[in-house]
Amino acid sequence: ILNVEQSPQSLHVQEGDSTNFTCSFPSSNFYALHWYRWETAKSPEALFVMTLNGDEKKKGRISATLNTKEGYSYLYIKGSQPEDSATYLCAHSSYNTDKLIFGTGTRLQVFP
Amino acid sequence: ETGVTQTPRHLVMGMTNKKSLKCEQHLGHNAMYWYKQSAKKPLELMFVYSLEERVENNSVPSRFSPECPNSSHLFLHLHTLQPEDSALYLCASSQAPAGSGNQPQHFGDGTRLSIL
Repeated sequence: ILNVEQSPQSLHVQEGDSTNFTCSFPSSNFYALHWYRWETAKSPEALFVMTLNGDEKKKGRISATLNTKEGYSYLYIKGSQPEDSATYLCAHSSYNTDKLIFGTGTRLQVFP
Repeated sequence: ETGVTQTPRHLVMGMTNKKSLKCEQHLGHNAMYWYKQSAKKPLELMFVYSLEERVENNSVPSRFSPECPNSSHLFLHLHTLQPEDSALYLCASSQAPAGSGNQPQHFGDGTRLSIL
């Protein structure tokens, strides 16, 4: 994998459902993996920055895992709420660069 | 309120105009970034400034000219733009100096630019 790839592109779930998305990234020279939440008409908001293989981070109902050897990260949302509706972006950085490479995002819509 | 303010929020300009986008951060960060978001494309890094020095120019055409007079302010000067330059332009800041990508970036709300 040369770029950051996110799947699915979009997702529609019912309120209360749990869901997860995938981010795939180049595993060589890995330095950090970022997740951002971007609501319509607002600015992207940082959720997690992960650097260690096997790391798991949690913020309320949202959690993320990281596998740097195989180059993927999962974002989980437990008990989705309508306010979770947003585009979730992941971004990857390599050693010796302050440059983040972003995926195209997963657009989540949660219906009441 | 993210601590990063961008003005204007919307800008419509002709191809021969000259305009500037402004970004200001109140977070005490020492790195600032310009990104371009075109429809159905990922966020694309344009420029990185660290400690007021440009450390990354991501092959951006010279019709885009950044300026960072101090660590709190970042400008993007625009001239002779093309219709394909219509996009959302986002500014961000972070604590990291160049060479350290493990700090989150804080984004402004963006400027929606339309070129006629």
